[in-house]
Amino acid sequence: LAKTTQPISMDSYEGQEVNITCSHNNIATNDYITWYQQFPSQGPRFIIQGYKTKVTNEVASLFIPADRKSSTLSLPRVSLSDTAVYYCLVGDSYGSARQLTFGSGTQLTVLP
Amino acid sequence: ETGVTQTPRHLVMGMTNKKSLKCEQHLGHNAMYWYKQSAKKPLELMFVYSLEERVENNSVPSRFSPECPNSSHLFLHLHTLQPEDSALYLCASSQVAVSYEQYFGPGTRLTVT
Repeated sequence: LAKTTQPISMDSYEGQEVNITCSHNNIATNDYITWYQQFPSQGPRFIIQGYKTKVTNEVASLFIPADRKSSTLSLPRVSLSDTAVYYCLVGDSYGSARQLTFGSGTQLTVLP
Repeated sequence: ETGVTQTPRHLVMGMTNKKSLKCEQHLGHNAMYWYKQSAKKPLELMFVYSLEERVENNSVPSRFSPECPNSSHLFLHLHTLQPEDSALYLCASSQVAVSYEQYFGPGTRLTVT
């Protein structure tokens, strides 16, 4: 079971780039890395998923080094509305649902 | 708008009541999930359905009873709940089970009095 470690909280200012790193030292060969965003009293929102190197979409970029023991979610030019909890998940879609754990996530606070 | 709707959005019920939560997905997905999120706690996966068959039940008390009549609808039937069951109940769907790319509904805020 790939355990993930993220910072509990981060602060940033509007317009800055924010990088949130997740450690997953015992990631398995078949595991993917997935990030979600959650606002208070709402369901999580899927942001991005990757296996290796770099993945980019209209919302964020995901950087994964060659050893895959960590990953970094990059949010360009954040705004106040990006204040949310960000979760890193690691697992294999063909594995047991018991691996599917969200953890405590990283509370990102964007300041004006 | 994620394509997953949940009703009701808020529910207050007594410990002796029976109520049901409803989830509907409009994404053509084959898997649906129920999660519980208590205050200041991580999401807990409760049930997973794939093609209307339950494939996972994470040691959830029997006072929670899921039902999946078809791949678009998921219910959570509640009876004789306890105050500690007060939480945000979230429904999600995905193309297949178990997928890490899930689409969540807005949740039902449940208060048990």
